[in-house]
Amino acid sequence: GESVGLHLPTLSVQEGDNSIINCAYSNSASDYFIWYKQESGKGPQFIIDIRSNMDKRQGQRVTVLLNKTVKHLSLQIAATQPGDSAVYFCAENMSKGSGGSYIPTFGRGTSLIVHP
Amino acid sequence: NAGVTQTPKFQVLKTGQSMTLQCAQDMNHNSMYWYRQDPGMGLRLIYYSASEGTTDKGEVPNGYNVSRLNKREFSLRLESAAPSQTSVYFCASRTFGSLIESPLHFGNGTRLTVT
Repeated sequence: GESVGLHLPTLSVQEGDNSIINCAYSNSASDYFIWYKQESGKGPQFIIDIRSNMDKRQGQRVTVLLNKTVKHLSLQIAATQPGDSAVYFCAENMSKGSGGSYIPTFGRGTSLIVHP
Repeated sequence: NAGVTQTPKFQVLKTGQSMTLQCAQDMNHNSMYWYRQDPGMGLRLIYYSASEGTTDKGEVPNGYNVSRLNKREFSLRLESAAPSQTSVYFCASRTFGSLIESPLHFGNGTRLTVT
């Protein structure tokens, strides 16, 4: 089956640097992508999403880029802060055969470590 | 608003015992989900309920059952717990429809250990 994956399991950066977290997807039919942040002991928290009719979307200090040609998604965090240290997951809406419901499917996650 | 509330937060079971994990949301979402998360892995879908009155299997449904009690509540039951079910369980909800896509809202999880 098709799946969402991440290139780097751990990313270490210095405070103030920009961070880039990458995600590869293989389901060309996916049309909605989401980035989540998970802090220790908590559930994943929505950061930003993007639909397949867009190639870039910006939020507060975060930008998501979507390259449908190479099926690649990235999350850019500007001026990374120690509070950004967490595990980041990308997810795609993958269609499920029976019933036609779209199921959010997650990659393994990337651990971002920000050094003061 | 409390968002998504899961109970209990922690639970230890012996092999063969049963238990029900509770989940409630107060955001008027129509769809609810149960995921499990194991160390170094992403979230894997156990069961979901696209709307009140419907439930469907996810990627890893074996050993579990669910009940969509009403629009707010979605419970997960382990009938005979096994050590392989040691995990962190997350409930999530969202509004979903043919013209609507939205991100999941998660609870803070139930940490289950089966000995």
